[in-house]
Amino acid sequence: KAGVTQTPRYLIKTRGQQVTLSCSPISGHRSVSWYQQTPGQGLQFLFEYFSETQRNKGNFPGRFSGRQFSNSRSEMNVSTLELGDSALYLCASRPNREDQPQHFGDGTRLSIL
Amino acid sequence: QKEVEQNSGPLSVPEGAIASLNCTYSDRGSQSFFWYRQYSGKSPELIMSIYSNGDKEDGRFTAQLNKASQYVSLLIRDSQPSDSATYLCAWFSGGYNKLIFGAGTRLAVHP
Repeated sequence: KAGVTQTPRYLIKTRGQQVTLSCSPISGHRSVSWYQQTPGQGLQFLFEYFSETQRNKGNFPGRFSGRQFSNSRSEMNVSTLELGDSALYLCASRPNREDQPQHFGDGTRLSIL
Repeated sequence: QKEVEQNSGPLSVPEGAIASLNCTYSDRGSQSFFWYRQYSGKSPELIMSIYSNGDKEDGRFTAQLNKASQYVSLLIRDSQPSDSATYLCAWFSGGYNKLIFGAGTRLAVHP
């Protein structure tokens, strides 16, 4: 079974631009979560989508948004990029069962110049 | 009160020793607990799941769960330099219907 796929793997943008990151979950997984991780920091939860609906949201500004499609693929968008948005963005998927863990993609490394 | 408490480390152990990583959590009703390993610059990978009180062994790894004390730990026997990584504990929150992650403990195994 294929794992979680994130594209692109690397991205360089400048301040003020916007960016869209993509995540394809493991087949059959309907829950997709997004995290931001900066160097030396833990996972900062952005949001979770389930069946095209945002189910949970972390404490991030409105510049960070996401959506999920009917095939469970998800996209995350960041508008008006700031230098502090430079980070590893991780997507994780899981079945909608509490006894099942999340599985992470390789992440998208976003650098803001 | 933080939802998950983990000592950020670094925890330094000599090669061949037992590394002990600990985590306390806030939801007494939680039933599912996970340990992830994250190498520098990489994404977290699942290494252990535990659901019942007691110990669960998988190779050199043993997860221990004590629900009454709201405590979960990970023991790594015969630690190797390749075990040097950040270890994240996570538990499923029924209230939020999502996994809650600790900040992670950085483990350094020196030859």
